[in-house]
Amino acid sequence: GQQLNQSPQSMFIQEGEDVSMNCTSSSIFNTWLWYKQDPGEGPVLLIALYKAGELTSNGRLTAQFGITRKDSFLNISASIPSDVGIYFCAGRVSGAGSYQLTFGKGTKLSVIP
Amino acid sequence: NAGVTQTPKFQVLKTGQSMTLQCAQDMNHNSMYWYRQDPGMGLRLIYYSASEGTTDKGEVPNGYNVSRLNKREFSLRLESAAPSQTSVYFCASRAGTGYEQYFGPGTRLTVT
Repeated sequence: GQQLNQSPQSMFIQEGEDVSMNCTSSSIFNTWLWYKQDPGEGPVLLIALYKAGELTSNGRLTAQFGITRKDSFLNISASIPSDVGIYFCAGRVSGAGSYQLTFGKGTKLSVIP
Repeated sequence: NAGVTQTPKFQVLKTGQSMTLQCAQDMNHNSMYWYRQDPGMGLRLIYYSASEGTTDKGEVPNGYNVSRLNKREFSLRLESAAPSQTSVYFCASRAGTGYEQYFGPGTRLTVT
């Protein structure tokens, strides 16, 4: 099946720093979703993107739907300790016959106070 | 409005035992999904139900069965548990429009 390459796999940052992560694929997507998972909890939807070039913010989080439709980016500004967790991208391949999503393997974020 | 709820939260089974994981959503969503999450593997789809009365296999259906009891409830059954089914299981739901899926808190299953 389709694969999403999510990078970096993990990152350690100082509180107050900005964070960038991305997902790439060889397939064209018509939907990109970004989730955050806290330890012991289920993934929580952060941002949904539906158009190439779309830039959407949710507080300190900003996500972009890549122009090529094969990638997406998530930025977190001025990180705080509660940003710790695993961030997943997910997407729906353009032309797919079902409503299934393809998930990246996650970026584990650690914030050093 | 509780969203997606799952029971139990934790479970330990012996090899060969059976059990049913329960999932319910109160958002009037049409579609529901079961995933398993394993270290290094990400989320993998086991089964999904596009609408009440229909179910379809996902990426890793072997060893599992599902029932879409009604629009609210979607259960996952392990008939004869195996250690390879040790995992965290998540249920999710999706409204009729858009592709956003909303997840439950998960069931942590250990098979010994």
